[in-house]
Amino acid sequence: DQQVKQNSPSLSVQEGRISILNCDYTNSMFDYFLWYKKYPAEGPTFLISISSIKDKNEDGRFTVFLNKSAKHLSLHIVPSQPGDSAVYFCAASARTGATNHFFGTGTRLTVIP
Amino acid sequence: EPEVTQTPSHQVTQMGQEVILRCVPISNHLYFYWYRQILGQKVEFLVSFYNNEISEKSEIFDDQFSVERPDGSNFTLKIRSTKLEDSAMYFCASRGQENSPLHFGNGTRLTVT
Repeated sequence: DQQVKQNSPSLSVQEGRISILNCDYTNSMFDYFLWYKKYPAEGPTFLISISSIKDKNEDGRFTVFLNKSAKHLSLHIVPSQPGDSAVYFCAASARTGATNHFFGTGTRLTVIP
Repeated sequence: EPEVTQTPSHQVTQMGQEVILRCVPISNHLYFYWYRQILGQKVEFLVSFYNNEISEKSEIFDDQFSVERPDGSNFTLKIRSTKLEDSAMYFCASRGQENSPLHFGNGTRLTVT
């Protein structure tokens, strides 16, 4: 059962343009959503998060949007830079406490100089 | 900045052998996790650990797996009798509070031959 889905395995964007990465989830109990970035030979690193009480959270060039009715979230990167090239994982969790994150399969973003 | 460290970075073992993967979480963190990623697939939750006991585990985490926090700093994952399908990257993660991001180590690549 794949509770968090990233349907685009890869995305290529020109430097300076917007990158939009999408994520869908099925569990309506999820209330905390995160994006992680992963470079080769490294573990995922936290990028940005959003709780279910919000529909947008912004941090510099990164903005996450949450549409609870559609069970969809997206990550916008503006402007995209070559250093943003990495695999991006969407993750979600259902409750507070020591609960785990459910991860999507990842989207490989390539920013072309 | 404090980080999660994992050793070894690469472990090769024969099928049926026991392996222990080691992790040193961030020192003031309270919640500990093991995840794995089979090549090309999603990051999968194995187990979470809080207050010196397992708080949650997935179907993957069967009787062949165990975790231990033998002292105040280490967090280990043991696989008693490895199978070929256990070959994956194993990531340790920790976090300090509820609903906070996970901090991942760089992983241990386990190859079972």
